[in-house]
Amino acid sequence: QVQLVESGGGVVQPGTSLRLSCEASGFTFSKFAMHWVRQAPGKGLEWVTVISFGGRNKFYIDSVKGRFTISRDNSKNTLYLQMNSLRPDDTAVYYCARRPEGSTFDMWGPGTMVIVSS
Amino acid sequence: DIQLTQSPSSLSASVGDRVTITCRASQAIDTYLAWFQQRPGKAPKSLIYAASNLLSGVPSKFSGSGSGTDFTLTINNLQPEDFATYYCLQYSSYPFTFGPGTKVDI
Repeated sequence: QVQLVESGGGVVQPGTSLRLSCEASGFTFSKFAMHWVRQAPGKGLEWVTVISFGGRNKFYIDSVKGRFTISRDNSKNTLYLQMNSLRPDDTAVYYCARRPEGSTFDMWGPGTMVIVSS
Repeated sequence: DIQLTQSPSSLSASVGDRVTITCRASQAIDTYLAWFQQRPGKAPKSLIYAASNLLSGVPSKFSGSGSGTDFTLTINNLQPEDFATYYCLQYSSYPFTFGPGTKVDI
């Protein structure tokens, strides 16, 4: 079955860390750039970060630079998002998404909720 | 960063209607524009890439057009499952940016 499934969300206090995972199945994971997109409660979609298919190239939105790190393990078909120094405004559903070359996101996971609150 | 605006922010329509949503970019993005549908509590669903190309499995009732800074999404023959929020996305340059969304309700 071709799918993406996120995990690792939860409720954490400000200033702490969390690592999200996105497990891919049913396709050749190593051939696709992978992205994280988030959505705060009641708000719109916000692109967060991308990693190239080989893992060499990464880009982030300014608000997470220096705090979040995207990585991937192609041998495990898994994408990660290490989130440090979490802030209340990081509270959101985090989606991983696949993007084929020359196209847009064509597959999304169901999302995992992160709540940053004291 | 490239900013996207969408209009209207919301609209009311009836089953069978045709609706058009506009997305405008703060600078030219060629046709690096995509459209997504999101129903409440669900992950986004990808509809269109490169401004006018339907992704596999997306019904032809959806269509997109535009290039440069002005883009439109048209939905023909609205059905109950089409009532959702629609977002545009520019993927011309990083950081990718989404429009604020257009809610289509009954």
